[in-house]
Amino acid sequence: GQNIDQPTEMTATEGAIVQINCTYQTSGFNGLFWYQQHAGEAPTFLSYNVLDGLEEKGRFSSFLSRSKGYSYLLLKELQMKDSASYLCAVRGSGGSYIPTFGRGTSLIVHP
Amino acid sequence: GAGVSQSPSNKVTEKGKDVELRCDPISGHTALYWYRQSLGQGLEFLIYFQGNSAPDKSGLPSDRFSAERTGGSVSTLTIQRTQQEDSAVYLCASSPSADEQFFGPGTRLTVL
Repeated sequence: GQNIDQPTEMTATEGAIVQINCTYQTSGFNGLFWYQQHAGEAPTFLSYNVLDGLEEKGRFSSFLSRSKGYSYLLLKELQMKDSASYLCAVRGSGGSYIPTFGRGTSLIVHP
Repeated sequence: GAGVSQSPSNKVTEKGKDVELRCDPISGHTALYWYRQSLGQGLEFLIYFQGNSAPDKSGLPSDRFSAERTGGSVSTLTIQRTQQEDSAVYLCASSPSADEQFFGPGTRLTVL
């Protein structure tokens, strides 16, 4: 089976840096996704990690350690518009391309 | 180009009625997924279509739920004899490959 854990809620200050962690236990591993979802809207893709290490994309970076079953999403220079839910999703092995989503982390950015 | 579209955007129905939810994926995307999301919950996988292969129905919660995808494009999710616990946002996503998914805006279903 698949088990994905993320903190339920985090708060941070505008301009700061925040790290959202995700740990997983899955049947095999075939990639980890991060999505952003604003309230009342559809999730939008942020990153996809297959290999260990850090991938940077503008203000957002995603890190993966397969041996530890661990990932984090790093958001720099926080803006008010970054207030959203951040979803971690893991795809297991066995030929299935269906990712399993965590419950998401609600990030609140305040002035 | 156009993204994934879903209709209706909102649906209110009475317990026991059947509902049909529609998804138009991005043209050329071979993979199509249905999820549902209840308030404060993560995305719950329902069903997955890939090309002409048999769909993966392992996430459907009961036999009241069914889905089809015609001509490898448009998909319809049908819920028969709706129950109050079926109330949720139903999200459709399509993908050109095994990588990122493109989500539609969702259909908010309310069963009274």
